[in-house]
Amino acid sequence: TQLLEQSPQFLSIQEGENLTVYCNSSSVFSSLQWYRQEPGEGPVLLVTVVTGGEVKKLKRLTFQFGDARKDSSLHITAAQPGDTGLYLCAGGSVSGTYKYIFGTGTRLKVLA
Amino acid sequence: KAGVTQTPRYLIKTRGQQVTLSCSPISGHRSVSWYQQTPGQGLQFLFEYFSETQRNKGNFPGRFSGRQFSNSRSEMNVSTLELGDSALYLCASSGTGPGNTIYFGEGSWLTVV
Repeated sequence: TQLLEQSPQFLSIQEGENLTVYCNSSSVFSSLQWYRQEPGEGPVLLVTVVTGGEVKKLKRLTFQFGDARKDSSLHITAAQPGDTGLYLCAGGSVSGTYKYIFGTGTRLKVLA
Repeated sequence: KAGVTQTPRYLIKTRGQQVTLSCSPISGHRSVSWYQQTPGQGLQFLFEYFSETQRNKGNFPGRFSGRQFSNSRSEMNVSTLELGDSALYLCASSGTGPGNTIYFGEGSWLTVV
């Protein structure tokens, strides 16, 4: 059974602080995506990484795909209240037996 | 281009009833997948359809079913509703090939009373 563990599960920080969210698995993925979801809405795609070791930046967000394509991290610099939400990572199937497997989620709250 | 559209957005059903949810994918996307999201279980994969055929299926009972039409629009049906079926049901569409990005709709909130 493929599992995608995210840590931490919950995070409450002050505006301006930095944070890192981790997404780990023992499985290799063809790609990895990060989403942010706000209450009552569907997840919104933030980034897709496909190459081992790949780093992508989206304003204050930095995403990295592990060299072995089994893990990923999301780093937020100078967090703002607008970053509050549920962050989900999703691993794409290599074998084609499933489409995507989703991580357990990290619920972030940034306090003003 | 228009995103993934799901209807209805909110609905309340009684135990034992059945429900049908609808999803219109992004234009040109032929793969549609469905997910159930609950606070306790997170995002759980239900099934995926591609070119009107179910390609992958998650670990859900047979009460959960779906179909896809020739225009790639999809429906999912839950029969004999149980209280535990209360959840946000999300539809996502993607282009062809494994590992392609999936885009979600806003979801359908189902409450079973």
